[in-house]
Amino acid sequence: DVKVTQSSRYLVKRTGEKVFLECVQDMDHENMFWYRQDPGLGLRLIYFSYDVKMKEKGDIPEGYSVSREKKERFSLILESASTNQTSMYLCASSPPRTSGTYEQYFGPGTRLTVT
Amino acid sequence: GENVEQHPSTLSVQEGDSAVIKCTYSDSASNYFPWYKQELGKRPQLIIDIRSNVGEKKDQRIAVTLNKTAKHFSLHITETQPEDSAVYFCAAGNPQTGTASKLTFGTGTRLQVTL
Repeated sequence: DVKVTQSSRYLVKRTGEKVFLECVQDMDHENMFWYRQDPGLGLRLIYFSYDVKMKEKGDIPEGYSVSREKKERFSLILESASTNQTSMYLCASSPPRTSGTYEQYFGPGTRLTVT
Repeated sequence: GENVEQHPSTLSVQEGDSAVIKCTYSDSASNYFPWYKQELGKRPQLIIDIRSNVGEKKDQRIAVTLNKTAKHFSLHITETQPEDSAVYFCAAGNPQTGTASKLTFGTGTRLQVTL
């Protein structure tokens, strides 16, 4: 059974702080994704990674960066948190395309509040 | 890039009735269309998906239809039950191209099944 975990369920940070959100998956998946979920806006892709040290911007990368130093871990970094980054952040992973399956497995989410 | 529109944003049905959620997509290259269900306080989970080489797929009370010409696809839930109450997200993508199995999600439909 695929397990995707996120470091915190709830996080409160101050404006201007550097914030790290961690995601770990245990299924040796190549692909990992970071989304933010806001009411009425659905799931919007921030960044994704298809291999160690490889990353690509998603649809809303501004104000975020990512790091993937190990295959199982994908970190989202808010360099200088702002109040408009208050949101639910969801991490996901998926197997390699060669597997023929494209299901994304989500973590439980981190609700970040920036005050 | 891909743009996915989803309607309605909220849907209330009586137990036993059917529910239909509709999505349209913009990129004719998209060929994979999953549906995710997110129960309150939980992570999104894949419930059904369809690929562009078929027009309909069914799994017990859930079915998805795809009209490639019109670029729209729909989720049909028959004989709804209270446990069907959740937020449903459609998504579209072309997993075989690019660097990862990237998806674009719709904005979600909150389904409420009343007794």
